[in-house]
Amino acid sequence: QSVLTQPPSASGTPGQRVTISCSGSSSNIGSNYVYWYQQLPGTAPKLLISSNNQRPSGVPDRFSGSKSGTSASLAISGLRSEDEADYYCATWDDNLRGAVFGGGTQLTVL
Amino acid sequence: QVQLQQWGAGRLKPSETLSLTCAVYGGSFTGYYWSWIRQPPGKGLEWIGEISHTGSTNYNPSLKSRVTISLDTSKNQFSLKLTSVTAADTAVYYCTRRLRYWGQGTLVTVSS
Repeated sequence: QSVLTQPPSASGTPGQRVTISCSGSSSNIGSNYVYWYQQLPGTAPKLLISSNNQRPSGVPDRFSGSKSGTSASLAISGLRSEDEADYYCATWDDNLRGAVFGGGTQLTVL
Repeated sequence: QVQLQQWGAGRLKPSETLSLTCAVYGGSFTGYYWSWIRQPPGKGLEWIGEISHTGSTNYNPSLKSRVTISLDTSKNQFSLKLTSVTAADTAVYYCTRRLRYWGQGTLVTVSS
């Protein structure tokens, strides 16, 4: 049972825009930055979004993040076949005094 | 560019102690928190704990009784020890600088 709630799956066709949601509480998303990761099979999570909406160097601007209250979202526009992966949200939790994660969303490009 | 490189034993027997080390390259060791995160096969991510550059630690309550994170500032390295491992501890273990920079991961398998 993950602290942050993500849909287990999402899908879209090439060129579409898809969004993945991440729901938490006031002790985590509500008061801390949200991070988003892309994980391809057999590889370490790759940072896509930090500090709610900041893209590290090298991440395409097709990826964007937003946060409102105790929820956050990752949007992927111009969907491509190589975007097929697992996506995780993460943040800090003030009660746990540690990092917490969503359960992950498996994105399928149809 | 910050890089984390980790190593350690990949196969353990039940009741043994897991030991991993992570070296930090290309950035300052001081002023940051250094963490360990794990991912069981086919499952999600779990935060294990962290240590500050001053040695202050914080652990996941579910693992606290078995976990020790330490650091060697002279080598820009930090380490994880997890005692009395069981099959449930089988996972890929990652060292990280909080949530921003990640090591390559080490698969640790616990099996008799």
